[in-house]
Parts: sequence; structure tokens; C-alpha cells
Amino acid sequence: DTAVSQTPKYLVTQMGNDKSIKCEQNLGHDTMYWYKQDSKKFLKIMFSYNNKELIINETVPNRFSPKSPDKAHLNLHINSLELGDSAVYFCASSQSPAEGYTFGSGTRLTVV
Amino acid sequence: AQRVTQPEKLLSVFKGAPVELKCNYSYSGSPELFWYVQYSRQRLQLLLRHISRESIKGFTADLNKGETSFHLKKPFAQEEDSAMYYCALRKGYNKLIFGAGTRLAVHP
Repeated sequence: DTAVSQTPKYLVTQMGNDKSIKCEQNLGHDTMYWYKQDSKKFLKIMFSYNNKELIINETVPNRFSPKSPDKAHLNLHINSLELGDSAVYFCASSQSPAEGYTFGSGTRLTVV
Repeated sequence: AQRVTQPEKLLSVFKGAPVELKCNYSYSGSPELFWYVQYSRQRLQLLLRHISRESIKGFTADLNKGETSFHLKKPFAQEEDSAMYYCALRKGYNKLIFGAGTRLAVHP
């Protein structure tokens, strides 16, 4: 009964390809996020959606496009993948900011 | 600018020793701070929040506004505490800014 689930867990792909990562939460939370964790383990927010509306869009290349078909899902599509996109991408959700986030288990993306 | 600083990349201690993971923040308003833990190849988990003043797995953290710190402490480290620890600051309504993380290694 995973609260925030991401698929796939691992993704190895060639430069220039387009790929998607899916995220679903069954907690009934209104807000979902994408974070990127680089090779030095630094975590940085990319996007946030509240009830399907984009509310945070950090300085991310426009090759990255989030899509939220409903408040339980937030997918991340990446066009023209580059070597520097290799990282672990975490999805998270929250209901009340004061409660903190619930994270997914991450998607390890390797671009070769 | 809002910022979270974790000065130590790695903290190495022996089992049973006290642990203090440092976190300093920069924030102009009333801060809300969190500690998250990431065990090897697992998801990040919320460890504790300063507003609840709780103790989880023997860890505590006190917000010191004078020193702008939120250090994480445990009196006696266990091997299973080995993990990455992230301090986070809530910015705006629902954005968390994370520090760079500190790896805690507890040796037998």
C-alpha cells in the first residue's frame, strides 16, 4: 500500500531520447512535487502542483515538462535527454506544509 | 536569501558515542524546520519537525533562533542510524529548501 509510488525505479537511456517518469499518490494530498538529487546528493525542487495547477517552476530547462492529469498524479516528461540529466528524481506530496512531505522511492535516471 | 547550511559532508562516530548534526539557516520570517533521513537506497523520510518538539528514534532537535540553528542530536549513536540526513526549511506556502546533507557513519 505504497503512499507515493514512482515508475520506473531505474531508467537507462541514450542521449537525445525522450522519457517519462510517473508518480502517483494515494494519500489524498493536494500538492505534489518533483525534486532532483544530483550525484553529490544535493536535493533541489523542480516543480510543484497544487490541485493540478502549477505553482512552483524553478529554473529548469524547458526540456522538462510536468503534467498533472489529476491531483493524485504528477508525471515528468523529459525531451532530448542530456548526460547532465543523470540523477535520482524524487516525487513527493503534502497536504499541509507544516506536516512535511511524503516522498516516493525515487527514479534513478542514467543517460549514456 | 533563504538558505540552509549543513557544514559537514560526513560525520563519522563510533557506536554509543553522542551525535550532533549541524544545521544553520537564513530566513527573515518565522522559520519552520525539518529533518529528513535517507537510508541507503531508500526514500527520504521525515524524521522530525521543530513545531512538534518530538523525539524520534532517540533524535531531538531544538530551534535556536538566536544562533539560527536547528542541530540534530542523539546521545548514543547506533549502527542503524547510518544514513544521509537533510535539514530543510519551509519557504513560502509549500516549498522546502534542503541543505546539502550530512552523511552519518556509525562504526561498530
